[in-house]
Amino acid sequence: DAKTTQPDSMESTEGETVHLPCSHATISGNEYIYWYRQVPLQGPEYVTHGLQQNTTNSMAFLAIASDRKSSTLILPHVSLRDAAVYHCILRSMATGGNNKLTFGQGTVLSVIP
Amino acid sequence: GGIITQTPKFLIGQEGQKLTLKCQQNFNHDTMYWYRQDSGKGLRLIYYSITENDLQKGDLSEGYDASREKKSSFSLTVTSAQKNEMAVFLCASSIAGTGGSQNTLYFGAGTRLSVL
Repeated sequence: DAKTTQPDSMESTEGETVHLPCSHATISGNEYIYWYRQVPLQGPEYVTHGLQQNTTNSMAFLAIASDRKSSTLILPHVSLRDAAVYHCILRSMATGGNNKLTFGQGTVLSVIP
Repeated sequence: GGIITQTPKFLIGQEGQKLTLKCQQNFNHDTMYWYRQDSGKGLRLIYYSITENDLQKGDLSEGYDASREKKSSFSLTVTSAQKNEMAVFLCASSIAGTGGSQNTLYFGAGTRLSVL
């Protein structure tokens, strides 16, 4: 899987909207963009994923650039429970290729009351 | 919904000891994975299995064995624990081993290993 680049950390205040960027300049056409988040003493939790179109669910909005070389996870009205490490990952659609999911260090999101 | 249960939650071992970690899932998922997470680093794939009795090496398989005894369980063995080793071992499962947008991984809470 191709690599992604994320800022090491970001800080926000409760109630604000947070934009978490991810760069994936070498993404290939058959790779999905996945976002997971992880809190201490827990495994990563699925947040959302997308291929080309922006997507939205109850947790977040994923904005994907038209050239797919970057994406932004948007968390509306963050709460203290949203404080976590957010991982942006690329996952191949090819058979067998998506088994080797590679996580980087991710972005540590701190939320201030 | 389902759950992934990893046992034990904490494991303290001695140098050179053989240690076994267990993972159970009730999602009825086909594929199961073992990842290692070191402090301040990302996850690295150790082994995965796409069905019962199947075993595939990941990027970090040296020093480990794994066994998919049945569809719902996947165990990992540290063949010889290294002194001062500290890491979190995460088990995960997904629907199938083939490509597709729905192949989301679900993770357990992890087993925290410390070697004295």
